[in-house]
Amino acid sequence: NAGVTQTPKFQVLKTGQSMTLQCAQDMNHNSMYWYRQDPGMGLRLIYYSASEGTTDKGEVPNGYNVSRLNKREFSLRLESAAPSQTSVYFCASSARDRGHNEQFFGPGTRLTVL
Amino acid sequence: QKEVEQNSGPLSVPEGAIASLNCTYSDRGSQSFFWYRQYSGKSPELIMSIYSNGDKEDGRFTAQLNKASQYVSLLIRDSQPSDSATYLCAVNRGYGNKLVFGAGTILRVKS
Repeated sequence: NAGVTQTPKFQVLKTGQSMTLQCAQDMNHNSMYWYRQDPGMGLRLIYYSASEGTTDKGEVPNGYNVSRLNKREFSLRLESAAPSQTSVYFCASSARDRGHNEQFFGPGTRLTVL
Repeated sequence: QKEVEQNSGPLSVPEGAIASLNCTYSDRGSQSFFWYRQYSGKSPELIMSIYSNGDKEDGRFTAQLNKASQYVSLLIRDSQPSDSATYLCAVNRGYGNKLVFGAGTILRVKS
């Protein structure tokens, strides 16, 4: 039982390049989330998927797109990377059992955009 | 005013002491409250969840919730150097899909 996995762990991009961050969970959770974490700003929600087939914007969605490929997988795409997108990206999942929203996080991807 | 506020710290306590971490939130409709621990360079790890007023104990950790005062706290008894980390408070609005995180409190336990 690996929990939440993310690939890659590290990535360096040049401005304008594109890439997709991958996330998978093996806990049979319905909901999945993408966050970014910047120094002094805490975790900010980019996009989330409450259930397979649905996605919604979070607090900072500009410059990102997502795909909920199936119940296990939720990917985050940067179409044209900008230096402002340099951050640590975390994927999380939640069963949302009985209305509660305990979220479990993956190990993160450290992204640098030059 | 931020939706979830925490003192950034650092909070320094000696080994064996009680560490008290505090969090206030602005949305009175919030129903679920969580504490995460995050070591430097690692991902957040869920350590406590609390849903009703009062105290909830788990080992050396006690979460306290006061919805009337919109206040949630985390007490760590017999603090150890291994407890040194950033502690994130998270609040779930109503029964919705999103958690709102505070910026975190840095805890340093000195041996």
